[in-house]
Amino acid sequence: DVKVTQSSRYLVKRTGEKVFLECVQDMDHENMFWYRQDPGLGLRLIYFSYDVKMKEKGDIPEGYSVSREKKERFSLILESASTNQTSMYLCASSRHHYEQYFGPGTRLTVT
Amino acid sequence: QKEVEQDPGPLSVPEGAIVSLNCTYSNSAFQYFMWYRQYSRKGPELLMYTYSSGNKEDGRFTAQVDKSSKYISLFIRDSQPSDSATYLCAMISNFGNEKLTFGTGTRLTIIP
Repeated sequence: DVKVTQSSRYLVKRTGEKVFLECVQDMDHENMFWYRQDPGLGLRLIYFSYDVKMKEKGDIPEGYSVSREKKERFSLILESASTNQTSMYLCASSRHHYEQYFGPGTRLTVT
Repeated sequence: QKEVEQDPGPLSVPEGAIVSLNCTYSNSAFQYFMWYRQYSRKGPELLMYTYSSGNKEDGRFTAQVDKSSKYISLFIRDSQPSDSATYLCAMISNFGNEKLTFGTGTRLTIIP
């Protein structure tokens, strides 16, 4: 069974704080993704990575950065959290883009 | 106009009914069509995928693609309360470094 784990289920941060969201997968997948999910807007891709140290911008990269130093780990960084970044953050991994395996999500609240 | 349109619902049907979930899209380059199921407070999981036009069946689930109409459907037969979830359609044009384009999801409740 593919397992994608995320470091926290719930997170509350203050405006201006630096926030790290960690994602780990155990299936040796090349591709990893970070999405945010908001009511009425669905899943929106923030960044993805198809190899170690490689990254590609998704649809909404502004205000975010990512790091992939090891194949199994993909981190999302909010350099200076803002209230409009309050959302559900989902990490996914895949060998093929169509079959993405998602983690349970991190619900981030920025106050 | 969004590339993929999906009615958000909510949709409530009695147990045992046939459920029809649909998406329309505008990008004719899409070739691969997926349905993901997302239970409350969980991440989405892939239910089925289909290449190009046609039908695909897996147990109580049938996925249909009509590329001429740019319309895809997911049918659930003999619906069960455990089918209550949000269903998201997703599409991709090829398997290179393309990204999936998701619908916003339809929330489905099966009433016992």
